[in-house]
Amino acid sequence: GENVEQHPSTLSVQEGDSAVIKCTYSDSASNYFPWYKQELGKGPQLIIDIRSNVGEKKDQRIAVTLNKTAKHFSLHITETQPEDSAVYFCAASMVGTSYGKLTFGQGTILTVHP
Amino acid sequence: DTEVTQTPKHLVMGMTNKKSLKCEQHMGHRAMYWYKQKAKKPPELMFVYSYEKLSINESVPSRFSPECPNSSLLNLHLHALQPEDSALYLCASSPSPGKHEQYFGPGTRLTVT
Repeated sequence: GENVEQHPSTLSVQEGDSAVIKCTYSDSASNYFPWYKQELGKGPQLIIDIRSNVGEKKDQRIAVTLNKTAKHFSLHITETQPEDSAVYFCAASMVGTSYGKLTFGQGTILTVHP
Repeated sequence: DTEVTQTPKHLVMGMTNKKSLKCEQHMGHRAMYWYKQKAKKPPELMFVYSYEKLSINESVPSRFSPECPNSSLLNLHLHALQPEDSALYLCASSPSPGKHEQYFGPGTRLTVT
């Protein structure tokens, strides 16, 4: 089955700095890669996703890049703010399956210091 | 609107109790999911409902019993749970089983005493 590795497990940055979280996946058939942000006491929130026919996607301060050949994808957050502090999960899935099972990475605890 | 609601927010139950968790979405989504999340871990898939039919059971013990009364509602019936079942239980929904934008609810924090 699919295996997703996520690094780093913790990341501490100063407000205004950039943050990068990286994930690698094992199954070359995976073609959908979402990123979730989970704040304390809340459910995961879908913040951005990318499909394998696209190399990069941006939404304001966040961007995701995908390298299919190397089987890795990354989340980039620019101009970080304290409210970006949360746990971030990457995931991989295969579009076209009947139920869309997400395989998650282990998560990254991001702390943005004011 | 991408809101999935879950009730209750918190639940404490004894090992002999029977309780239910409820999940609701009004986005017209036709796939709904139950996940279990332990502290500092990613969500683990438990069940998938596709067009109100159970599609996937990830080898979940029978003390957890899902139910999908209609396309907007998803229940998880709990009976004879163990302390190790204490966790955050998350519901999610997706427009259709073939589309993969899953939207999560806030979860129910379950404590089994």
